[in-house]
Amino acid sequence: DAGVTQSPTHLIKTRGQQVTLRCSPKSGHDTVSWYQQALGQGPQFIFQYYEEEERQRGNFPDRFSGHQFPNYSSELNVNALLLGDSALYLCASSFPSVLGGAEQYFGPGTRLTVT
Amino acid sequence: GENVEQHPSTLSVQEGDSAVIKCTYSDSASNYFPWYKQELGKRPQLIIDIRSNVGEKKDQRIAVTLNKTAKHFSLHITETQPEDSAVYFCAASRYNNDMRFGAGTRLTVKP
Repeated sequence: DAGVTQSPTHLIKTRGQQVTLRCSPKSGHDTVSWYQQALGQGPQFIFQYYEEEERQRGNFPDRFSGHQFPNYSSELNVNALLLGDSALYLCASSFPSVLGGAEQYFGPGTRLTVT
Repeated sequence: GENVEQHPSTLSVQEGDSAVIKCTYSDSASNYFPWYKQELGKRPQLIIDIRSNVGEKKDQRIAVTLNKTAKHFSLHITETQPEDSAVYFCAASRYNNDMRFGAGTRLTVKP
């Protein structure tokens, strides 16, 4: 089992550009959540995808968008990059629990630097 | 939305001592409370979790307690070891899984 994988590992972009980050969930998981982790802070919830639809969204602007494919993999797109978008972007996968609040497994993250 | 506060932000203990990290949450509908350990440059790793129908859960040297009335939960690490040094995050989520994290606690275990 490969676990959660993300690509690329590192990325450097210029302010105003657009970026796409990719995530493959753990085998058997159908839900993907994206988080932004600034240096020295906790992960901030961006949004969650389930059945190819955005199910929940955190307090992030519309410049942040995503997509989930039929194989459950997911993309995070960020338009009009700002310097403040520099962070570690984490993807986490899970399988819905009837008990609520499913255990999430994190990928290694993509380190985005905006210059 | 949910707001999770975590204390302390840094914690230094001697090897063999216990460490306690506390979190409070605001959304009474939250029902799942995981704790993650993140080492420098690595992904967060789940170390223990608890659901709202349980008051305490233990796994070897790690335990978590939950007080739903007061809306706070705590991580307890006993017999700390240098390899326990890391940043620990608490989190809270509801049925819809929008997990909200605390700001983290940097734990240092001195040999």
